[in-house]
Amino acid sequence: DIQMTQSPSSLSASVGDRVTITCRTSQSISNFVNWYQQKPGIAPKLLIYAASSLQSGVPSRFSGSGSGTDFTLTITSLQPEDFATYYCQQTYSTPGTFGQGTKVEIK
Amino acid sequence: QITLKESGPTLVKPTQTLTLTCTFSGFSLSTSGEGVGWIRQPPGKALEWLALLYWNDDKRYSPSLKSRLTITEDTSKNQMVLTMTNMDPVDTATYYCAHSLYGSGKIDYWGQGTLVTVSS
Repeated sequence: DIQMTQSPSSLSASVGDRVTITCRTSQSISNFVNWYQQKPGIAPKLLIYAASSLQSGVPSRFSGSGSGTDFTLTITSLQPEDFATYYCQQTYSTPGTFGQGTKVEIK
Repeated sequence: QITLKESGPTLVKPTQTLTLTCTFSGFSLSTSGEGVGWIRQPPGKALEWLALLYWNDDKRYSPSLKSRLTITEDTSKNQMVLTMTNMDPVDTATYYCAHSLYGSGKIDYWGQGTLVTVSS
């Protein structure tokens, strides 16, 4: 299985801050990375696919970058509704493994 | 509009077999590129990818669970069934079915999830 190492596991930030979450894969996977947001008790929501493509309906303050083994999710100007847990996922090979999640909390 | 909904037991006993049904609408598993998968999440833990079925009957399973999992489809009913044998308390989780697209593999629509507890 391809391992997804996501960091940090949690962070505290304020409204308006710029937040960066990283995901490193155990082998090169081109751009086969997706990012999801999950709020408590609710199914995950797709934010970014193919490393940098913004899913329809997702605010433009979310962006993704990276290729190969290192990937980044950036939230510019954090909003109150962005406090949640974020997961990366690789879809280069089966199983489509997820990272361990990053919980973004209010500072 | 794509929707998915999971149904099945909320409580199973250890060693029993779990059967979950995903009923979906807004797309067909007969259409090129379409796929339906299962993901689970133990309470307070991360997401775990379980299995995926594509329109061309390409079935993919998590290697660590492959011996216990089976996915089947009923195209006429727009349903997909996940069977997991020999359930254990560590299998307690919310089980999600989800829509996926071939190629990117992105999971763009999710069911609401169903919590399955394994306990005697």
